[in-house]
Amino acid sequence: QVQLVESGGGVVQPGGSLRLSCAASGFTFSSYGMHWVRQAPGKGLEWVAFIRYDGSNKYYADSVKGRFTISRDNSKNTLYLQMNSLRAEDTAVYYCAKDCSSTSCYAGIDYWGQGTLVTVSS
Amino acid sequence: EIVLTQSPATLSLSPGERATLSCRASQSVSSYLAWYQQKPGQAPRLLIYDASNRATGIPARFSGSGSGTDFTLTISSLEPEDFAVYYCQQRSNWPPMFTFGPGTKVDIK
Repeated sequence: QVQLVESGGGVVQPGGSLRLSCAASGFTFSSYGMHWVRQAPGKGLEWVAFIRYDGSNKYYADSVKGRFTISRDNSKNTLYLQMNSLRAEDTAVYYCAKDCSSTSCYAGIDYWGQGTLVTVSS
Repeated sequence: EIVLTQSPATLSLSPGERATLSCRASQSVSSYLAWYQQKPGQAPRLLIYDASNRATGIPARFSGSGSGTDFTLTISSLEPEDFAVYYCQQRSNWPPMFTFGPGTKVDIK
């Protein structure tokens, strides 16, 4: 079965950096685009970044553009999110998620990890 | 940037009742819209993709409809486990950008 396991969350000071990882299993990782989605405490979902199946293109929400970098290592079935210049408003649970992209699905994120909490505080 | 608006913000219903949730886009998203259910402390779960297709394992009481700017998620008869927050999400064609709506909470009346 599909499993997505995030790691790397924690407490960091404003202006600091953190790298999140997501270990994927149960599907052909190199065939699917992947997302990071976040949720601030008590708030709704916010899409953060998307990377195509082969890492050729990356897309970001305006709120993180220039500060966050999404990447992947298909040989290790792992997705990453490098977060720099962190702000208090980046405090959230960060979910790694698999895009449904296929010939029969275009808009949908079909599998999600359980999330890792990032707290930006002094 | 495409903005999604969901209504109502809260829907108070009893088990067995029909729930109708609305999602409106600020410009056409064709049929590139998905619906998710989220319960407290859990990750979201995909219910509907491409506006009207049920995801794997989703019960038939969940259905999605609409295209362009107006979309609806219908739960034909609420089960106790359906009380949760529901989000819509769109995918722009090019460049691929993704937006979530603010959510509709379905709670027990």
